[in-house]
Amino acid sequence: SQQGEEDPQALSIQEGENATMNCSYKTSINNLQWYRQNSGRGLVHLILIRSNEREKHSGRLRVTLDTSKKSSSLLITASRAADTASYFCATAYYGNNRLAFGKGNQVVVIP
Amino acid sequence: EPEVTQTPSHQVTQMGQEVILRCVPISNHLYFYWYRQILGQKVEFLVSFYNNEISEKSEIFDDQFSVERPDGSNFTLKIRSTKLEDSAMYFCASSYREANTEAFFGQGTRLTVV
Repeated sequence: SQQGEEDPQALSIQEGENATMNCSYKTSINNLQWYRQNSGRGLVHLILIRSNEREKHSGRLRVTLDTSKKSSSLLITASRAADTASYFCATAYYGNNRLAFGKGNQVVVIP
Repeated sequence: EPEVTQTPSHQVTQMGQEVILRCVPISNHLYFYWYRQILGQKVEFLVSFYNNEISEKSEIFDDQFSVERPDGSNFTLKIRSTKLEDSAMYFCASSYREANTEAFFGQGTRLTVV
């Protein structure tokens, strides 16, 4: 199936530490996006990386994309309690108008 | 900052009843979507809408579902005869360009079918 799939992790880290989560997919993509969801709330777009890009930064976020391995990672540096949320990767494919979401990683940052 | 707004935030309905979920996308966006998330599960694509017609739909989006953009502002999802398994959080989203770009999501409508 053409869906992003995160490593099914629940991360619990101390404030100030880095959090890393991974996502894999099965067929060629146009781009891969990461979203954050606070409990019971909507999805907030974090970052988009295109298939011809290998790394992208946005503030404390760093995303990598390895198209040969069909995988991506999201790194949150110097985590804060406010980073506590679920993080989803979503893949977009050429020729269609939908995002395919993974199952999500729950991250808990302990103050 | 522009945002996608959804109403109601929570709706409880009897099985077999019709429900309409409402969304106001960001005003200059051209592509509109509905997704749903059953509790504890993945976010699933339902339908995309562009130029006043459905551009793509998933296998979930059967004859019980329909979408409409009645007045150039609102974007609605109708479920004609709700089932227990339709209980989920329904998210509306919009994007300026096609789905291969950043999508802005609303806060969701939690639908509970009893």
